[in-house]
Parts: sequence; structure tokens; C-alpha cells
Amino acid sequence: DVKVTQSSRYLVKRTGEKVFLECVQDMDHENMFWYRQDPGLGLRLIYFSYDVKMKEKGDIPEGYSVSREKKERFSLILESASTNQTSMYLCASQRFSGAGELFFGEGSRLTVL
Amino acid sequence: RKEVEQDPGPFNVPEGATVAFNCTYSNSASQSFFWYRQDCRKEPKLLMSVYSSGNEDGRFTAQLNRASQYISLLIRDSKLSDSATYLCVVKYNTDKLIFGTGTRLQVFP
Repeated sequence: DVKVTQSSRYLVKRTGEKVFLECVQDMDHENMFWYRQDPGLGLRLIYFSYDVKMKEKGDIPEGYSVSREKKERFSLILESASTNQTSMYLCASQRFSGAGELFFGEGSRLTVL
Repeated sequence: RKEVEQDPGPFNVPEGATVAFNCTYSNSASQSFFWYRQDCRKEPKLLMSVYSSGNEDGRFTAQLNRASQYISLLIRDSKLSDSATYLCVVKYNTDKLIFGTGTRLQVFP
């Protein structure tokens, strides 16, 4: 089975702090994604990556950056956390472009005070 | 207008009932369609892909109507374990998947 592991299930941070969310997949998938999920808004794509050191902006990249130094690891960075970034963050991987199915991690619930 | 729209529900149905969800999408260039299931406080998981001719997987039937730009999911003989949120997902010619906000189903004894 594909395993997508997110480093923290729950985080509480203060406004202005730098936040790192880590995601690791163990199935040698090419593509990785970061979404946030909010009530009434569904899943919205923040960033995605097709390859090591490559990144593409999704629909809501403002306030976020990403890093993919190794194929299996995709990190989401909040340079200066704000209260409107309180959300559930979901990482996903995809075997290759066109494969369709996304495999999600269990999510990281971030609260920014 | 949202790119993918779903009735949020909840749909409250008794065990054994048949229930159907619809989802509409706005971009006629959409290429692939999926239903994902998300249990409470869990991550989404693929339930089934949706093919042009319609497809069935056990008690679940998915259909696509390109002319009217909607997809549907039919669940027959509902089980308590079917209680979840069902997410409609649409893919364009890139690998961006657009998720609907989900339809919540609650099956009661």
C-alpha cells in the first residue's frame, strides 16, 4: 500500500512564526501536492511538484512556499504564519502525470493564534 | 460560479435505501472524473473513477453526462459504513484535480 506520511497531525503556532509541514511518500511517486481543506470551501491546491526541485503554483499559493529536495519529500513552508492560515493541510502523491488517483496523508491540523 | 458544485447535504437515509448524489462542473474541457470518499477526520480516498459509458462497482454506480456537464453517484442498499462525505473531482488536461466541497451522507439504522 502507498504510504503518505505527514510529520505532524496537530500544530499550534503564533502569528508571525515560520511553520514547516513535512510530507514523505514511500512509493517512488513522481508528483506531490499540497492542499488545504476548509469547511464550505473544500480542498484547494496550494502548490504541486512534478519532479525534484520543481514546483508549480496552485490556486492559492500566496503566503506559502514549498521545497522538494528529494523525490520522496515535499515540504510546505509558511514564512510568517497568519490566523487565516488556520486550516487542515493535506499532502498527496500521484504515481505519474495522468495517473489520476491521488494518495493523501492523514492531514496536519494547523492552528495559528 | 464554482468550478465543481455539489449539494452539501446532509443526506440522511435508512439502511437499505438507495441514494443518489449529483455534481455539476463548469469547464467543458474537463477530461476525467472521480468520486472520492472522506470519512470524518480522515483523508480522502478514491472511491471510483467515472467513465463516459457509466460504470459500476458493487453497490456503487457512477454516471457521466457530458452534454449537461454533471456526474452522479448512486449507492444501492446503503450500509451504516457508507456514512461519509463524498467528493466529486474533475481533472482538466493538466494534473490539477478540482475538488467539490462534498456531499455528506448519514445512514441510520
